[in-house]
Amino acid sequence: EQQVQQSPASLVLQEAENAELQCSFSIFTNQVQWFYQRPGGRLVSLLYNPSGTKQSGRLTSTTVIKERRSSLHISSSQITDSGTYLCAMGDSNYQLIWGSGTKLIIKP
Amino acid sequence: GGIITQTPKFLIGQEGQKLTLKCQQNFNHDTMYWYRQDSGKGLRLIYYSITENDLQKGDLSEGYDASREKKSSFSLTVTSAQKNEMAVFLCASSRDRVGTEVFFGKGTRLTVV
Repeated sequence: EQQVQQSPASLVLQEAENAELQCSFSIFTNQVQWFYQRPGGRLVSLLYNPSGTKQSGRLTSTTVIKERRSSLHISSSQITDSGTYLCAMGDSNYQLIWGSGTKLIIKP
Repeated sequence: GGIITQTPKFLIGQEGQKLTLKCQQNFNHDTMYWYRQDSGKGLRLIYYSITENDLQKGDLSEGYDASREKKSSFSLTVTSAQKNEMAVFLCASSRDRVGTEVFFGKGTRLTVV
């Protein structure tokens, strides 16, 4: 069964600390995407990063294909960064396989 | 940029009722998807379509029908709503087949009474 493992399951940080989220895949994939969702909120695409390093504002994603993993780094975290971060990989059947998410809580 | 519009935002139905959810995208994307998101569970694929009039079943297709009337629209029908069913249905699209970024709509929240 194809799987996506995310860690940690939850993370509590103080405001301004950096967050590091991890995602590992059971298969090799050429489609890796990170999403963000607040409780009851919409699913927002953060970064599409099938390989290498990509940055968007305070977010940096690094995907190492041969090691079947991807990370999301959030620098100088803010209270509004709180929510669930999901990573997903694409398989050969057009399906996105989802991780179970990392719940991030940023405290003042 | 583009946008994915889902209607309605909230849908309340009765047990056994046939309910239709609609999705429009103006990205000019070929592939469109319907996902279901349940509280505490990951997203599960219901149907997808790689071009107009194409339909492919996902893992959760039982109890649903879909229709890709034209490239920009993809509708999902709950054939018989189940009592106490509560979930968010998410429509998504991507430019091509595998290997391209996927964009999501805001979702339709379904409640069955």
